[in-house]
Amino acid sequence: AQTVTQSQPEMSVQEAETVTLSCTYDTSESNYYLFWYKQPPSRQMILVIRQEAYKQQNATENRFSVNFQKAAKSFSLKISDSQLGDTAMYFCAFEGTNDYKLSFGAGTTVTVRA
Amino acid sequence: DGGITQSPKYLFRKEGQNVTLSCEQNLNHDAMYWYRQDPGQGLRLIYYSQIVNDFQKGDIAEGYSVSREKKESFPLTVTSAQKNPTAFYLCASIEGGRGKTEAFFGQGTRLTVV
Repeated sequence: AQTVTQSQPEMSVQEAETVTLSCTYDTSESNYYLFWYKQPPSRQMILVIRQEAYKQQNATENRFSVNFQKAAKSFSLKISDSQLGDTAMYFCAFEGTNDYKLSFGAGTTVTVRA
Repeated sequence: DGGITQSPKYLFRKEGQNVTLSCEQNLNHDAMYWYRQDPGQGLRLIYYSQIVNDFQKGDIAEGYSVSREKKESFPLTVTSAQKNPTAFYLCASIEGGRGKTEAFFGQGTRLTVV
């Protein structure tokens, strides 16, 4: 069974600085997909970034980038130049290729301070 | 506009009653999901469905039931067997591209046992 672990319940960062969120996962599959989703106070889920396991290059979306370490089963998210609007809960997610099961971690609450 | 709609937004249930949460999507997505969100526990998968008339148990299926009679609809019934049903419930759908597309989420239903 696949599991997703986020070990940081809360993180705080000063505006314009950088914060890194950690995520580890466990799977026996060789190919899969990893995601980071953002849930602001409105509770609407928003896709932040996506990584395909067979691609070695780390994904980047504007101020958001990942560090994907397949051997270590690690998938961290870096938020650069943090903005007040980045305040939200961030979820790491895993989707295998054997079926459509989409599993999430427990989430990390990020607070950006002015 | 295409999207995924959950109703009602708030739902109150008396102990011992069954209640059904609605989830409808007009995105022509193949896969649909139900998650439960409790404070500090992230999103836990209840049930998911890849195609019409087929669905699989997630990680916390006990006390819940679903049906998938139409591609656009995936209702969730919270039965009296669910001992602690008070939570926020999220429905999601995916086009079915094996991780190549993002999951779309509804606005959620807050269920409270009174």
